[in-house]
Amino acid sequence: DVKVTQSSRYLVKRTGEKVFLECVQDMDHENMFWYRQDPGLGLRLIYFSYDVKMKEKGDIPEGYSVSREKKERFSLILESASTNQTSMYLCASSPPTGSVLYEQYFGPGTRLTVT
Amino acid sequence: QKEVEQNSGPLSVPEGAIASLNCTYSDRGSQSFFWYRQYSGKSPELIMSIYSNGDKEDGRFTAQLNKASQYVSLLIRDSQPSDSATYLCAVNDQAGTALIFGKGTTLSVSS
Repeated sequence: DVKVTQSSRYLVKRTGEKVFLECVQDMDHENMFWYRQDPGLGLRLIYFSYDVKMKEKGDIPEGYSVSREKKERFSLILESASTNQTSMYLCASSPPTGSVLYEQYFGPGTRLTVT
Repeated sequence: QKEVEQNSGPLSVPEGAIASLNCTYSDRGSQSFFWYRQYSGKSPELIMSIYSNGDKEDGRFTAQLNKASQYVSLLIRDSQPSDSATYLCAVNDQAGTALIFGKGTTLSVSS
């Protein structure tokens, strides 16, 4: 079974803090993704990575950065947290593009509150 | 702008009935199609994937794909109260790496 884990289920941070969200997958997947999910807006892609040290901007990268130093680990960084970054953050992983079965699997999510 | 459209619902069906969830997409180059189930407060769980035109069955779930009409659907037979959730349709983008998600249809199954 694919397993994607995230470092925290719930997190409360103050405005201006630097926030690190960690994601680890154990399926040797090349692709990893960070989304945020907000009521009425659905899932929105922040960043994704298709290889170690590679990253691509998604639809809403502003205010975020990412790091992928190892294949199994993908970190999302909020450089200076703001209240409008209060959200559910979801990490996902998948086999490489062009795979016969190209399926994304999600971690349990981190509900971040910025006060 | 690539889009995936779903009726937000709620779709209400009685226990034992067939629930039909629909999704349309705008990118004709899309090749991979997925249905995720998401319970309130939880993360999306992959329940069906379909890659070619026609039907694909897995237990009580059937996914249907019509690329010419840019339409994908999910049928849930013998609906149970435990099927009550939000169902997300997802389609790969033309580059193939990212998925584009619809906003989901909320299904409520009453006993």
